[in-house]
Amino acid sequence: DAGVTQSPTHLIKTRGQQVTLRCSPISGHKSVSWYQQVLGQGPQFIFQYYEKEERGRGNFPDRFSARQFPNYSSELNVNALLLGDSALYLCASSSTLYNEQFFGPGTRLTVL
Amino acid sequence: AQTVTQSQPEMSVQEAETVTLSCTYDTSESDYYLFWYKQPPSRQMILVIRQEAYKQQNATENRFSVNFQKAAKSFSLKISDSQLGDAAMYFCAYRRQKLIQGAQKLVFGQGTRLTINP
Repeated sequence: DAGVTQSPTHLIKTRGQQVTLRCSPISGHKSVSWYQQVLGQGPQFIFQYYEKEERGRGNFPDRFSARQFPNYSSELNVNALLLGDSALYLCASSSTLYNEQFFGPGTRLTVL
Repeated sequence: AQTVTQSQPEMSVQEAETVTLSCTYDTSESDYYLFWYKQPPSRQMILVIRQEAYKQQNATENRFSVNFQKAAKSFSLKISDSQLGDAAMYFCAYRRQKLIQGAQKLVFGQGTRLTINP
């Protein structure tokens, strides 16, 4: 079975631009979570979606938004990019809210 | 708020030797899960081992084992017979058993970079 997939692998944007990151969960998984990992730090929770509804949000500004589609894939959007948004963005899926999260390979976002 | 602390930014060990990575956490909850994740240069976060707080027995997975001290809020990872493929960033993580405002949220430490010397 395919694992969690994310696209694109790498992305370079300039300050003020908008970016959309995509995640496809493991088949049968209904929950997707997003994490931001700044270089040299551990991942920080951004969002969790389950059955297409937002179930939780971390301490991130409103410039960050996400959604989950009927096929359970998800998009993370970041508006008005700042230099500090440069990070590895990780997506994780789980079959339910209570089960283990499986991570994708991440999208490396660089903001110049 | 729950916090996870890894006090060793870097560790190194000779191949075939044993190494222990430290982790402490702070929580007022009694029911929770603890995890060790491995993140190699490929960036993929891989679950190494998990421990349920209600279980007194320490978890083991082949060469990986933990020392879970609930009262001390300590959760260390021991890697026996270290192999070159064990080189990676290791993250300790915590999750409440109950949902936080409806969400399942992993709280990670800052990570420990493990180097294996041949």
